[in-house]
Amino acid sequence: KAGVTQTPRYLIKTRGQQVTLSCSPISGHRSVSWYQQTPGQGLQFLFEYFSETQRNKGNFPGRFSGRQFSNSRSEMNVSTLELGDSALYLCASSLDSVDTQYFGPGTRLTVL
Amino acid sequence: KQEVTQIPAALSVPEGENLVLNCSFTDSAIYNLQWFRQDPGKGLTSLLLIQSSQREQTSGRLNASLDKSSGRSTLYIAASQPGDSATYLCAVSPGGGGATNKLIFGTGTLLAVQP
Repeated sequence: KAGVTQTPRYLIKTRGQQVTLSCSPISGHRSVSWYQQTPGQGLQFLFEYFSETQRNKGNFPGRFSGRQFSNSRSEMNVSTLELGDSALYLCASSLDSVDTQYFGPGTRLTVL
Repeated sequence: KQEVTQIPAALSVPEGENLVLNCSFTDSAIYNLQWFRQDPGKGLTSLLLIQSSQREQTSGRLNASLDKSSGRSTLYIAASQPGDSATYLCAVSPGGGGATNKLIFGTGTLLAVQP
């Protein structure tokens, strides 16, 4: 079974731009969660989508948004990029609630 | 507010040694606790998941224990190998409210196993 895939793997953007990251979960998984990883703050939860509905949201500004499609694929969008948004963005999928999560390789975003 | 702490932050051991990584959390209301490993520049690999009702889980050379009342978990690695070198992260799924897959992560332990 294919694992979680994320595209693109690397991105370079400039301040003020917006970016969209994509995540394809393991086949059959209904939950997709997004995390931001930085050296200073570690891994922080962004949001979770389950069957196309946002089920939980972390403490991030409204510039961070996401959505999930009927095939469970998910996208997250960051608008008006800031230097501090430079990070590794990881998505994870799981079959159901409170279940083992399987992580993708991440998208490395650099904001200049 | 749930906080997760891992000690030590870094650990270097010779090959073959048994070792213990520690994880503590401030709120005992959790659904489960998971241990992950992360290789440099890569995503996370799930190692073990312990449900809140369980005391331990084992997989190969790995054994994880959970003491919910004291807010502690340990990951025991037997007969360490250079391939075990990675950052080890523990994460809790906070209880209260509806069940979700939100995880709160610790700061990680960077393990180096010397050949």
